[in-house]
Amino acid sequence: EVVLTQSPATLSLSPGERATLSCRASQSVSSSLAWYQQKPGQAPRLLIYDASNRATGIPARFSGSGSGTDFTLTISSLEPEDFAVYYCQQRNNWPPWTFGQGTKVEIK
Amino acid sequence: EVQLLESGGGLVQPGGSLRLSCAASGFTFSSYAMSWVRQAPGKGLEWVSTISGSGGSTYYADSVKGRFTISRDNSKNTVHLQMNSLRAEDTAEYYCAKIGVVDYWGQGTLVTVSS
Repeated sequence: EVVLTQSPATLSLSPGERATLSCRASQSVSSSLAWYQQKPGQAPRLLIYDASNRATGIPARFSGSGSGTDFTLTISSLEPEDFAVYYCQQRNNWPPWTFGQGTKVEIK
Repeated sequence: EVQLLESGGGLVQPGGSLRLSCAASGFTFSSYAMSWVRQAPGKGLEWVSTISGSGGSTYYADSVKGRFTISRDNSKNTVHLQMNSLRAEDTAEYYCAKIGVVDYWGQGTLVTVSS
């Protein structure tokens, strides 16, 4: 089973700042990695698939990069609605699909 | 408009059973695999099970294998999760989802396993 480790656990930033979230896989997942955003009381929302492709309707301030075992989600300039929990998910070696433990982006 | 509507959650005693259902609309249901993903209170996301579009292939997390059964009825655009021998650690919000390049998720149904 592929284990995904996200860092940091919590990111404290102000609106307008740049956010950089990391996801590391225990073995190569090629480019089959997705990023999700989840707000309290809501279902997860797909942001990025295949490591770097924005899902439909996702603003350009969200970008993904990486391949193999190291991946990054970047939010270029945080908007108030971006404060949430972010999860990575690998879609290469399944079953099982696995998720990272999440990174909470909170207002500083 | 795509909709996934889960139902069937509730409070059940340890060792009991529940059947979750997910009614889908707005897309060609039979063309896509469907999954259940759960989230324990205050915790992260855990994939539970996936069924192929035809229903011919099913996959389970080790944590539920032998206790949960996923099925689908393409004539009714529904997917089900039969949960038996429930444990306290199965307490979670259960989401029905079509996961892919285009994702659809339901709003979830809460399952609480407690005496």
